[in-house]
Amino acid sequence: GESVGLHLPTLSVQEGDNSIINCAYSNSASDYFIWYKQESGKGPQFIIDIRSNMDKRQGQRVTVLLNKTVKHLSLQIAATQPGDSAVYFCAENISGNQFYFGTGTSLTVIP
Amino acid sequence: NAGVTQTPKFRILKIGQSMTLQCTQDMNHNYMYWYRQDPGMGLKLIYYSVGAGITDKGEVPNGYNVSRSTTEDFPLRLELAAPSQTSVYFCASRPQGLGPQHFGDGTRLSIL
Repeated sequence: GESVGLHLPTLSVQEGDNSIINCAYSNSASDYFIWYKQESGKGPQFIIDIRSNMDKRQGQRVTVLLNKTVKHLSLQIAATQPGDSAVYFCAENISGNQFYFGTGTSLTVIP
Repeated sequence: NAGVTQTPKFRILKIGQSMTLQCTQDMNHNYMYWYRQDPGMGLKLIYYSVGAGITDKGEVPNGYNVSRSTTEDFPLRLELAAPSQTSVYFCASRPQGLGPQHFGDGTRLSIL
């Protein structure tokens, strides 16, 4: 099957700094990408998504960048807060029905 | 709206026992999914459904069965529990068209 991988399994940042979480995908036919946040004991929670016809999309304190040339996706979190501590997953969609998830990056925010 | 509700939250089974993990959603979503998540890993797709009466295998369907008799419910059945099925199981749903999935809070299953 297709793989979605993350460059850094763990990331620690100081409160107030910006965080960048990276994701590599392998299928150039992927046309839709999603970032999820998963807190301990909870299911994944949608953060932001982007379609392959876009390079950048912004939400509240979050920005997703898509570089189709190198098949790379990143999530930027501005002014990281303790409540942002969680595991972050990227997911890609190819067929329209199925999604493939990466292994996740654990973000720890240091007060 | 309650969203996606999974029951039970925790369960311990003995090898060879069977059980059904329940999943229900109140958002009238066509698509529903079952994933398993092993420690430190991402989600692996077990089965999915694009509507009532239609189900399809995902990446890791062996040892599981599903049914979709209504739009709301998508139960996952383990017939002969094995230790390799110890995992956290997540159910998700999404509406027609391209969009994110909504997840339940999972069922933590241990098979001893």
